[in-house]
Amino acid sequence: KAGVTQTPRYLIKTRGQQVTLSCSPISGHRSVSWYQQTPGQGLQFLFEYFSETQRNKGNFPGRFSGRQFSNSRSEMNVSTLELGDSALYLCASSLAAPPTYEQYFGPGTRLTVT
Amino acid sequence: AQKVTQAQTEISVVEKEDVTLDCVYETRDTTYYLFWYKQPPSGELVFLIRRNSFDEQNEISGRYSWNFQKSTSSFNFTITASQVVDSAVYFCALFGANFNKFYFGSGTKLNVKP
Repeated sequence: KAGVTQTPRYLIKTRGQQVTLSCSPISGHRSVSWYQQTPGQGLQFLFEYFSETQRNKGNFPGRFSGRQFSNSRSEMNVSTLELGDSALYLCASSLAAPPTYEQYFGPGTRLTVT
Repeated sequence: AQKVTQAQTEISVVEKEDVTLDCVYETRDTTYYLFWYKQPPSGELVFLIRRNSFDEQNEISGRYSWNFQKSTSSFNFTITASQVVDSAVYFCALFGANFNKFYFGSGTKLNVKP
């Protein structure tokens, strides 16, 4: 069974640009969550989607948005990039709502904003 | 408020030593879940264990064991006879039923030297 895949794995963007990251969950998984990992703030929850609906959102500005498609694939978008957005963005999928169902993490997308 | 504290930023041990990683949590929820994840250099978080607030039984899985004590709000993780492959960053996480999202500790980097 294929794991969670994230594309691209590495990305370099310039301040002010926007970026879209993609996550393909494990087949059959309907919940997708996104996390930001930085050395300063650690691992922080961004949002969670289930059946194309955002069920939960962390404390991030509106520049961070996401969506989920009918095949459970998810994208997150960051507009007007700031230097502080440089981070590892992790996606996790689960059969249904965590924490009842275990989350499986992808390898992450490393975003560098210059 | 929900908070997870991992006071040990980095620990170095020599192979075959036992090592305990500390995790202290804060929550007002009566129903919550505690987790440990391992993050090897590849970046992908690997699930190790989940405990709910009503199950204080300690657990052993091979060389890994976990000690959950509600009285001290702690959920410590012990690796017995550590191996070089145990080198990674370990995260403790809390999921409170009311907040419905994950809160991660800052992580403990474990270095196991041969």
